Amino acid sequence: EAQVTQNPRYLITVTGKKLTVTCSQNMNHEYMSWYRQDPGLGLRQIYYSMNVEVTDKGDVPEGYKVSRKEKRNFPLILESPSPNQTSLYFCASSTWTGYNEQFFGPGTRLTVL
Amino acid sequence: AQKVTQAQTEISVVEKEDVTLDCVYETRDTTYYLFWYKQPPSGELVFLIRRNSFDEQNEISGRYSWNFQKSTSSFNFTITASQVVDSAVYFCALSEANYGQNFVFGPGTRLSVLP
Repeated sequence: EAQVTQNPRYLITVTGKKLTVTCSQNMNHEYMSWYRQDPGLGLRQIYYSMNVEVTDKGDVPEGYKVSRKEKRNFPLILESPSPNQTSLYFCASSTWTGYNEQFFGPGTRLTVL
Repeated sequence: AQKVTQAQTEISVVEKEDVTLDCVYETRDTTYYLFWYKQPPSGELVFLIRRNSFDEQNEISGRYSWNFQKSTSSFNFTITASQVVDSAVYFCALSEANYGQNFVFGPGTRLSVLP
């Protein structure tokens, strides 16, 4: 089954404790992206990747890191999480570019205390 | 810079009514792509449609239709004869072809269809 998976689905952590949210897709997609969803703000893009070893900032990259060492994986790293990073996070992938249909993962709800 | 505005935060209609969700965009590019996504109460994001800036034809898919007007920078979405299953948050989104590959969503419109 074609899908985007994210882990964990739910995470409660404390300020400053490094964490990684994994994202994996099995569709051989070139483009992958991370978004955060906050009430009243819709989805905002954090980082995206056009292909292996190619990443670029979205609208809200501060406090986040990403890497794309393999085509299927695109982890999101919060090196020192803060309460304002409490949010619902979505990973997505698409063929070739960011302006094709994106397939979204199920979301990761992160709470930083 | 690119921007998407969905002025309607929440809309409530009674089943079988028609409803239009508004989307207004700003872009510096001549080639761009517009999208609508649906997020039902279960939380997943579902792709509905993609339209490029060179194709202003309206599109109809069952009870759904989209009206793209470059002159007013709008890409509105109409649901005809709404059903309870249409209750969801709907997002309009924009991607520019010549200024990177980033993707901008509007804030969303929450549609409640009452039985």
